[in-house]
Amino acid sequence: NAGVTQTPKFQVLKTGQSMTLQCAQDMNHEYMSWYRQDPGMGLRLIHYSVGAGITDQGEVPNGYNVSRSTTEDFPLRLLSAAPSQTSVYFCASRNSPLANYGYTFGSGTRLTVV
Amino acid sequence: RKEVEQDPGPFNVPEGATVAFNCTYSNSASQSFFWYRQDCRKEPKLLMSVYSSGNEDGRFTAQLNRASQYISLLIRDSKLSDSATYLCVVNLLGGADGLTFGKGTHLIIQP
Repeated sequence: NAGVTQTPKFQVLKTGQSMTLQCAQDMNHEYMSWYRQDPGMGLRLIHYSVGAGITDQGEVPNGYNVSRSTTEDFPLRLLSAAPSQTSVYFCASRNSPLANYGYTFGSGTRLTVV
Repeated sequence: RKEVEQDPGPFNVPEGATVAFNCTYSNSASQSFFWYRQDCRKEPKLLMSVYSSGNEDGRFTAQLNRASQYISLLIRDSKLSDSATYLCVVNLLGGADGLTFGKGTHLIIQP
């Protein structure tokens, strides 16, 4: 199993451009989330999904959209990139609704907005 | 208001020593707890879940104190490969809303 796959690994955008960060998992996990990690800030939740067709906002959703049309895929869209969105983005998934199961993370996308 | 707090370190520890980290969380409704390990420029990886009764996995022991709202991680006989950032993580509602991460404790094991 590939686990959680994120593409691209690196991306440079100009301010105002839009793009989609891809996330796919092959473990048939219901729960998927997007986080961003900034120096000194820790990981912060952007959006999450508890199943196909169901998404909700996390702590820092502004400037991002998500959709969950299939169990496998959970893309994150940047609508109009801003330098404040320069960050490392991690997608994560888990299967069980039980409280003591942790997430499996993808290897991340390093995004720079200039 | 910081929901999950950790001492950022760095903790410089000689190889073979025992090291312990603590983490405090602000929301008493938090239902599940984890320690994650993150190597430089890599993704976080689950180290262990933390149970109320305490749990052990090899050289690693995790404890939860709900009354005082803190979690601990003990590493015995530390190895050079234990050098990493250790993230304390809580899940408030048991799965629906993702995880709240501490900023991490940086551990450096010295030969």
